Amino acid sequence: DIQMTQSPSSLSASVGDRVTITCRASQGISNHVAWFQQKPGKAPKSLIYAASSLQSGVPSKFSGSGSGTDFTLTISSLQPEDFATYYCQQYNSYPFTFGQGTKLEIK
Amino acid sequence: EVQLMESGGGLVQPGGSLRLSCAASGFTFSWYWMSWVRQAPGKGLEWVANIKQDGSEERYVDSVKGRFTISRDNAKTSLFLQMNSLRPEDTAVYYCARIDIRGSTFDYWGQGALVTVSS
Repeated sequence: DIQMTQSPSSLSASVGDRVTITCRASQGISNHVAWFQQKPGKAPKSLIYAASSLQSGVPSKFSGSGSGTDFTLTISSLQPEDFATYYCQQYNSYPFTFGQGTKLEIK
Repeated sequence: EVQLMESGGGLVQPGGSLRLSCAASGFTFSWYWMSWVRQAPGKGLEWVANIKQDGSEERYVDSVKGRFTISRDNAKTSLFLQMNSLRPEDTAVYYCARIDIRGSTFDYWGQGALVTVSS
């Protein structure tokens, strides 16, 4: 199985900051990575697919990059509604696997 | 508007069975792969199963193979997850998710159904 390792596990930031979350795959997965946002008690929301493509309706403050084994999610100009947990996921091969999550908290 | 609505969750004893349903609307259901993803209390996301548009292909995570069965009824635009021989570690919120038209990853999610396996 492909392991997805996210870092950091938690992150404190202020409104207006720019933050970057990293995800590393245990083997090469081309650009077959997605990113999701989840708020407490809510379903995940899809943000990015194919490493860098925004899902419909997702603001351009979210951006993704990477290929092979190393991927990043960057969120610019943080707003209160952006504080949530973020997950990466690989869909290069079965079983689909997720990173352990990064909890973004307000400083 | 795409909508996915799960139902059928609840409390079940270890070794018991439960069937989850997901009612889909707002899109042509038969065009899409569909999926179940779960989340144990306080834990991360875990993919459970996928099913092809016509039901001819199914994929499962190893921990549920032989116990869970994913199925669909395109005429009723519904997705199902039959869960047998349930274990305490199956306790989770189960999300129904649509896989995008490219057949790659999840684009829409339901609100989730809680399954609790306990005596």
